[in-house]
Amino acid sequence: AQSVTQLDSHVSVSEGTPVLLRCNYSSSYSPSLFWYVQHPNKGLQLLLKYTSAATLVKGINGFEAEFKKSETSFHLTKPSAHMSDAAEYFCVVTNLPGGYNKLIFGAGTRLAVHP
Amino acid sequence: GAVVSQHPSRVICKSGTSVKIECRSLDFQATTMFWYRQFPKQSLMLMATSNEGSKATYEQGVEKDKFLINHASLTLSTLTVTSAHPEDSSFYICSAQGRGRATDTQYFGPGTRLTVL
Repeated sequence: AQSVTQLDSHVSVSEGTPVLLRCNYSSSYSPSLFWYVQHPNKGLQLLLKYTSAATLVKGINGFEAEFKKSETSFHLTKPSAHMSDAAEYFCVVTNLPGGYNKLIFGAGTRLAVHP
Repeated sequence: GAVVSQHPSRVICKSGTSVKIECRSLDFQATTMFWYRQFPKQSLMLMATSNEGSKATYEQGVEKDKFLINHASLTLSTLTVTSAHPEDSSFYICSAQGRGRATDTQYFGPGTRLTVL
């Protein structure tokens, strides 16, 4: 069975400093992994996805994530935080190969960015 | 990116009434649509999966007679909350996946906030 663990429920950084949001997964298959961002009272926006191609995935707004099979991790990073990055971030894995099915959501990490 | 819309964005209704929420894929054919529910400060909970032209598959614990889902076309799915009660108040989000777009990605709508008085 698939599962996702987001290791931090809250992360707080200063503007201009690096961001690290941690995610570990468990999967019986070669997983498809996603990071989504949700701003308050909004739907989810896809940041990036890994689907068995390059292990370092670049997404929108300067975010990237690296798939590390040996560590079963898919941490999200950004070199320099911006105030507009403050939001809820969800790490997600699909439950079947090919990604054409249910998404398994992590609990979410709330990112706060301080001036 | 793919665009998925939801209507209405916000609805307030009286207890006992029914509310319909629409989810549309604007630039691709959504062969599969998903309905989620999100409580404050919590993650998304999948309620049901619907494939175009067939009955929705509901997750365990979700009442299918309470939450009616229709996916009559490749661009539209509707969720009807029947006889709504205050405990149905929540943020409802749909997503769509299908042809013309990466088949391994769900694109999410902006959500509908339902408040039942």
